[in-house]
Amino acid sequence: SAVISQKPSRDICQRGTSLTIQCQVDSQVTMMFWYRQQPGQSLTLIATANQGSEATYESGFVIDKFPISRPNLTFSTLTVSNMSPEDSSIYLCSVADRGYGYTFGSGTRLTVV
Amino acid sequence: SQQGEEDPQALSIQEGENATMNCSYKTSINNLQWYRQNSGRGLVHLILIRSNEREKHSGRLRVTLDTSKKSSSLLITASRAADTASYFCATADISGNTPLVFGKGTRLSVIA
Repeated sequence: SAVISQKPSRDICQRGTSLTIQCQVDSQVTMMFWYRQQPGQSLTLIATANQGSEATYESGFVIDKFPISRPNLTFSTLTVSNMSPEDSSIYLCSVADRGYGYTFGSGTRLTVV
Repeated sequence: SQQGEEDPQALSIQEGENATMNCSYKTSINNLQWYRQNSGRGLVHLILIRSNEREKHSGRLRVTLDTSKKSSSLLITASRAADTASYFCATADISGNTPLVFGKGTRLSVIA
């Protein structure tokens, strides 16, 4: 199965700043998915990132707040912009492997102060 | 958005007892998966059951799937303190290559 390297693993950021999270996959994948997990909650899909096209965002998430890049089939970034304490969450990327298996990055634990 | 509900939201049992968690979903699926997460860390894939399967075993885990009721259950037998974690079900759409949709999860505490 695919292996994902996600960076950073954690960060503490000042409100009003931005953080870019990177996911590198060891194989080419068509789609990458970004999730948010708020404290004590389940995973919520932020967007689906297709190489060569704009990301598709779920209801409640907008490109200005969570811009996504997908420059090639092995790499994607998610930026959390103009952060507030409400953005404190774990952010995870994921890919669909062949056979409907899924692989997840190890997550980025973001704390906004 | 979440696919459905999981119950119970929290479960506390003694070591050695069995733990049963349930999951319901709303749409047609290709498969349903269960994941474990320890204290907000990364997700650990436990087991995948396809829509044409009714029951699957892996070690101390037993998963059932009832597509007519759109529900699944995860049974952990002879629980251990190390099983303390949050457990999530997640469904994969029938069309494939789409994101997993997660349930709300069950927080399991196994008391030694």
